Amino acid sequence: GAGVSQSPRYKVTKRGQDVALRCDPISGHVSLYWYRQALGQGPEFLTYFNYEAQQDKSGLPNDRFSAERPEGSISTLTIQRTEQRDSAMYRCASKRGRPPNTEAFFGQGTRLTVV
Amino acid sequence: AQSVTQPDIHITVSEGASLELRCNYSYGATPYLFWYVQSPGQGLQLLLKYFSGDTLVQGIKGFEAEFKRSQSSFNLRKPSVHWSDAAEYFCAVGRRNSGGYQKVTFGTGTKLQVIP
Repeated sequence: GAGVSQSPRYKVTKRGQDVALRCDPISGHVSLYWYRQALGQGPEFLTYFNYEAQQDKSGLPNDRFSAERPEGSISTLTIQRTEQRDSAMYRCASKRGRPPNTEAFFGQGTRLTVV
Repeated sequence: AQSVTQPDIHITVSEGASLELRCNYSYGATPYLFWYVQSPGQGLQLLLKYFSGDTLVQGIKGFEAEFKRSQSSFNLRKPSVHWSDAAEYFCAVGRRNSGGYQKVTFGTGTKLQVIP
């Protein structure tokens, strides 16, 4: 597509439910990133992929959070047993692999509210 | 680990006045540096970036930033602010590796208000 697409744009879920957030990167982009942005804060790194390989998941806050990118394109961030503190904007970005110093493009995000 | 400090949470300027948003970073080597803008309901848009070379970087919408290694700073400037510049601005630092940069750390942001 023309830009990074995230769905859903808004998600309200009850505490304890699992949620899956989807990111469709720009076609051909090798690197894909997930960030979380709490109100009044900057985006916080969660994890990133090169192709289908998860290169760094050091930012995932706990084992309720996981991400996959099985075919090296679309990625899903899954949060199990959601808690109110998981409420935030979840942002996805993608970047070309070559040349290396290229811009990362962000999607409009998914606003997750856990009630 | 890299980190970014944006000391000003909120700044108000008059339309037509000059603007400078401060950013200080902590990183063990020469970093990749970015400024992003976020308008309400919008995604993050890259204003400019510094990777190497000339330390004064020109970006979109008339913005520029200067990398000062001695001060570990990358302040964003604009000579004349327009009302449409009202938004939240994020400074960010990227960690270098053989593939360019990957993990990017963002500051907490500065909200810019523009008054007539």
